[in-house]
Amino acid sequence: GQQLNQSPQSMFIQEGEDVSMNCTSSSIFNTWLWYKQDPGEGPVLLIALYKAGELTSNGRLTAQFGITRKDSFLNISASIPSDVGIYFCAGQTFYGNKLVFGAGTILRVKS
Amino acid sequence: EAGVVQSPRYKIIEKKQPVAFWCNPISGHNTLYWYRQNLGQGPELLIRYENEEAVDDSQLPKDRFSAERLKGVDSTLKIQPAELGDSAVYLCASSLVTIEQFFGPGTRLTVL
Repeated sequence: GQQLNQSPQSMFIQEGEDVSMNCTSSSIFNTWLWYKQDPGEGPVLLIALYKAGELTSNGRLTAQFGITRKDSFLNISASIPSDVGIYFCAGQTFYGNKLVFGAGTILRVKS
Repeated sequence: EAGVVQSPRYKIIEKKQPVAFWCNPISGHNTLYWYRQNLGQGPELLIRYENEEAVDDSQLPKDRFSAERLKGVDSTLKIQPAELGDSAVYLCASSLVTIEQFFGPGTRLTVL
């Protein structure tokens, strides 16, 4: 089946640093989404990308939909303690309108 | 606007027992999803409903899992009988017409 390779698996950074994480796949996707999940909660949508090459920002977050439709990255600028959590990428398949999730990037911020 | 509501939040049962999870989606959302999230993994789709119709249940283990969405609003996911490997977080999500899915807090199931 379709798989998303998300990296890095985890990050431990200093408050104020910028963060970058990405997702790649051998399959192409129609849409890319980035979610954040806090402990004991469901994933919360951060950014949705609908067009290949699209670059979208949401506050300190910036994400891009790769031109090949096989990858996406998420950047967080000037990290703060509340950025701690697990970040998931998800790709929407062309057929079946299904979301396939990566395994997540665990972000820890040292203040 | 109220979010997706799920209950119970936690459930501990012994293997071979039945268990049921309930989900109330965001008002007006016609599409409802059930996902299973194993520890250290992303959510995996079990079943998707468009109104009352299950349009994708290819990943639902039908020998022990069942789901229903009567009247196209609330939904129930059932496992009977539960096995040790069913321990996971069961997430419900809903969406309107776009792919932007909104998730509930999940039910954490522990099977002993």
